[in-house]
Amino acid sequence: KNQVEQSPQSLIILEGKNCTLQCNYTVSPFSNLRWYKQDTGRGPVSLTIMTFSENTKSNGRYTATLDADTKQSSLHITASQLSDSASYICVVSAFEGSTLGRLYFGRGTQLTVWP
Amino acid sequence: KAGVTQTPRYLIKTRGQQVTLSCSPISGHRSVSWYQQTPGQGLQFLFEYFSETQRNKGNFPGRFSGRQFSNSRSEMNVSTLELGDSALYLCASSLYAGPRNEQFFGPGTRLTVL
Repeated sequence: KNQVEQSPQSLIILEGKNCTLQCNYTVSPFSNLRWYKQDTGRGPVSLTIMTFSENTKSNGRYTATLDADTKQSSLHITASQLSDSASYICVVSAFEGSTLGRLYFGRGTQLTVWP
Repeated sequence: KAGVTQTPRYLIKTRGQQVTLSCSPISGHRSVSWYQQTPGQGLQFLFEYFSETQRNKGNFPGRFSGRQFSNSRSEMNVSTLELGDSALYLCASSLYAGPRNEQFFGPGTRLTVL
């Protein structure tokens, strides 16, 4: 069964600290993996997108890694800011037969950054 | 370039009623996908439209339907509303159909069913 599991479910850190969010997936055949940031009451915004051949991608203070062999990804946030408080969602896309494929969503990690 | 817009932003309905939500994609984008987001289930895929045709569909009952117009704008309809339909409904647009294309999300429509 294709699934995406994220951990931890929630996380509280102090401003300025680093943190790492995890995403494990069983989606196959794999197409790409994305990390989204969703502020409360708003739509998700893409942070990174990685294909099978990419194992690291950065977007400012956000760095995503992908290990396609172990089917794991992580999102590392450096020098956290109050504005990083949000839900971070891991999304994996798969090729599926004759359809155009589909997306599988994790339930997200709720990050809270305290001053 | 304007982003994805959704109307209305907030909606309150009662059980048994029906509702129509609207989504205008980014200019030039031809694919529109709809998602339901609830605290318990997270984001769940409803359907995707490309060039006025439904290309992909999630596991939702027939009460949930949609359509896309020639200008790529899309509407989603939910009939015979149930309490469990209370959720944030998100629309996402992309240049082409399929999950390999980057999707850009709108702000969502918050539907509350009483």
